[in-house]
Amino acid sequence: NAGVTQTPKFQVLKTGQSMTLQCAQDMNHEYMSWYRQDPGMGLRLIHYSVGAGITDQGEVPNGYNVSRSTTEDFPLRLLSAAPSQTSVYFCASSEGLAGKQYFGPGTRLTVT
Amino acid sequence: AQKITQTQPGMFVQEKEAVTLDCTYDTSDPSYGLFWYKQPSSGEMIFLIYQGSYDQQNATEGRYSLNFQKARKSANLVISASQLGDSAMYFCAMREGDGSYDKVIFGPGTSLSVIP
Repeated sequence: NAGVTQTPKFQVLKTGQSMTLQCAQDMNHEYMSWYRQDPGMGLRLIHYSVGAGITDQGEVPNGYNVSRSTTEDFPLRLLSAAPSQTSVYFCASSEGLAGKQYFGPGTRLTVT
Repeated sequence: AQKITQTQPGMFVQEKEAVTLDCTYDTSDPSYGLFWYKQPSSGEMIFLIYQGSYDQQNATEGRYSLNFQKARKSANLVISASQLGDSAMYFCAMREGDGSYDKVIFGPGTSLSVIP
């Protein structure tokens, strides 16, 4: 099992550009989430999904879109990048509501 | 309002000593869960321990134990016999929801440094 994979590992965007951060898991987990981690801070929940076709907003959803067309994939779209979105983005999945979350390695995004 | 509070931004502990990392939480849901994760300087998130709100006993995983005081809404992590490799950021997290749209949110973290 590859676990949770994220691509790309690093990305630099100009203000106003759009892009999609990819996240995939091969553990057949229903629950997937996207977090951002800013320097010296904890993880803040952006969006999450409890199964294919079902998504909901977390703590900081503005500026981001998600969709969940398959169990495996949960892409995060930045609609119009802003410097405030410079952060490390983590994708996570878990097998159930009480299950531990498996985290991807993170994507370090810089918006100039 | 902050749902998860970790009041210790940084902690130091002598190698082989025990250390307690504080976590308090706020929820009105009767069913919830509490997690602790470790993040070393390499950046990955490592699951340590989980406690459900209905669990009768405090969770333990090797050198990690969770001191769960439900009435006080606290879920402190106890690390026994600290090792140099325990130096890392530690995050408390809470799962809350109605069972169909549960979400997991994190506290701001505590930086632990183990001194030889």
